[in-house]
This record gives sequence, structure tokens and C-alpha cells, in this order.
Amino acid sequence: GENVEQHPSTLSVQEGDSAVIKCTYSDSASNYFPWYKQELGKRPQLIIDIRSNVGEKKDQRIAVTLNKTAKHFSLHITETQPEDSAVYFCAASKEGSGGSYIPTFGRGTSLIVHP
Amino acid sequence: DAGVTQSPTHLIKTRGQQVTLRCSPISGHKSVSWYQQVLGQGPQFIFQYYEKEERGRGNFPDRFSARQFPNYSSELNVNALLLGDSALYLCASSLGTGGGNTIYFGEGSWLTVV
Repeated sequence: GENVEQHPSTLSVQEGDSAVIKCTYSDSASNYFPWYKQELGKRPQLIIDIRSNVGEKKDQRIAVTLNKTAKHFSLHITETQPEDSAVYFCAASKEGSGGSYIPTFGRGTSLIVHP
Repeated sequence: DAGVTQSPTHLIKTRGQQVTLRCSPISGHKSVSWYQQVLGQGPQFIFQYYEKEERGRGNFPDRFSARQFPNYSSELNVNALLLGDSALYLCASSLGTGGGNTIYFGEGSWLTVV
């Protein structure tokens, strides 16, 4: 099955710095890569996603890049703010035997933004 | 509009007991998925249902079962509870099951097995 590795497990930055979280996946059939943000005690929420036919996608301070050949994708957050502090999860998904896309999640990165 | 709602929010069970967790999807969403999130790890897929049919099953033992009702709500059942079943159980709903369908998570049900 799919295996998703996520690094680093913890990332501490100063407010205004950039943060980069990296994920690798094992199954070349995976073609949809969402990123989720989970604040303490709350539900995971989708923040950005990318399909395998696109190399980069941006949404304000957040961007995601995908390298299909190397099977890795990254989340970039610029001008970090204290409210960006949370656990971020990457996921890789592909169509299963039942026709559904089932995501495999990484273990998460705890981002701490110091004021 | 209400988001994905789950009940109960917290519960404590004894080893060997059975538990039923409930989920109501966002109105109009026909797909419901269940995930187990152990502390410090990402959500792990358990089941996906679409139009009351099972569309996917993760690597969980047969003690775990689920179903979806005609109103698209869902239940997750876990029999013969083990200490290792202690986790946050997340329900998620989406319009469909294809890639790119945004999945919306509920707040989860915290299960503690003692």
C-alpha cells in the first residue's frame, strides 16, 4: 500500500519567517495530494491541494509544489503568523478498487510560530 | 449550514465492550468516511461509504464495522474493545468519492478504553 513520510515532525520559526514541510510518497499511482491543518483539539481542515498534472499551486501565503518523478511534495508558508501554529498533515491518494479515492496521511508536523 | 456532526464527543469503555459512534454528514453529501487518529499520528482510513454501499476498507480487523443509512448518516461499530483502540475517531463527508472531492471532518469522538 501507499506509504507517506512527512518531515520534520516539529518546526519552530519566528513570526514573519517562512516554513517548509516536506512529504514523500511511495505509490506512483497516487495523483491527488491534499494538505490539512489541525489546531489543538479541533478537526483537520483542508488548506490546499494539488493534482498530479500540476507542479505548483498558490493560495495567498500558502503554496504547494509537487515533483512526480521524485515522488515528493512540499508545503510552503510565507510570512508566518502565530495563528499558523498547528499540526499540518500531508496526504496522498489514488483511486481504489471501489472507485473511491482513499487518502494516506503523513504523521504530521507540529508548526510553532513564535511572536 | 451545519457541518459534520458526531456523537458522542467523549466516551470511556472497558476492554471487551462494544461501542457505536454516530455521524451525520453535511447536507447534500452522500459519501461518509471513518478515520482513526492515534495521538501524535495522522488519521488512518477505516471505511468509506457512498450511497449506502461500502466503497473502501482500510487495514483494520473485523471487529470494526460500519454502515450508512438512507439519510446518509453513518455508524461505526467496534466490538471486543482493546486498549489500543483508544483514539480520536473522525468522520468525514464529501459530495462524492473521486479525487478532488474535498472531505470535511467532524470534531471527532474521543474513545478511551480502560
